[in-house]
Amino acid sequence: DAKTTQPPSMDCAEGRAANLPCNHSTISGNEYVYWYRQIHSQGPQYIIHGLKNNETNEMASLIITEDRKSSTLILPHATLRDTAVYYCIVRVAGGATNKLIFGTGTLLAVQP
Amino acid sequence: GAVVSQHPSWVICKSGTSVKIECRSLDFQATTMFWYRQFPKQSLMLMATSNEGSKATYEQGVEKDKFLINHASLTLSTLTVTSAHPEDSSFYICSGGGYNEQFFGPGTRLTVL
Repeated sequence: DAKTTQPPSMDCAEGRAANLPCNHSTISGNEYVYWYRQIHSQGPQYIIHGLKNNETNEMASLIITEDRKSSTLILPHATLRDTAVYYCIVRVAGGATNKLIFGTGTLLAVQP
Repeated sequence: GAVVSQHPSWVICKSGTSVKIECRSLDFQATTMFWYRQFPKQSLMLMATSNEGSKATYEQGVEKDKFLINHASLTLSTLTVTSAHPEDSSFYICSGGGYNEQFFGPGTRLTVL
């Protein structure tokens, strides 16, 4: 699976949009971009995933660049409860395993 | 989303003893589950893939004789840390689920004295 690069930390004001970037310049054509988050001392939680089109669900939006070498996770109205480490993971679709390899992630601190 | 539980949520044991951690999928069947370990301020590290009815697959560098995994049913996988030592103190997390989404347990914090 391809590697990802994320900033180690970011701050965001409560109520504002949080935009978390991820670089995955070596992504292959059959690899999806997944986002998970981990609130302190809990198990990770799935947020969203996509292949090449932008995706939106009740939690967030995922914007993938046309060349697929980077993406941005958008939390439209961040709350204090969104403070967590956010992981961007690329993974092959149709692979023999569903395992996830976590990088270092971005610690998002939502400030009141 | 689906629910994965872990038991116990925390455990303290003496050095040299063995500790068993259970991971259960409560509302789905999981032919495959994954075990992760997480040290303070670090990311999750995949330890092994637990396969129902067959042997687990361990990641490079993980001692299979020290971390025994059993996946005897479609809803239960267990991780046994044998002869635990203080360096095994960590947060252990399991996951299971479908192709597009993995559901993670709440984690088990192991402290070895």
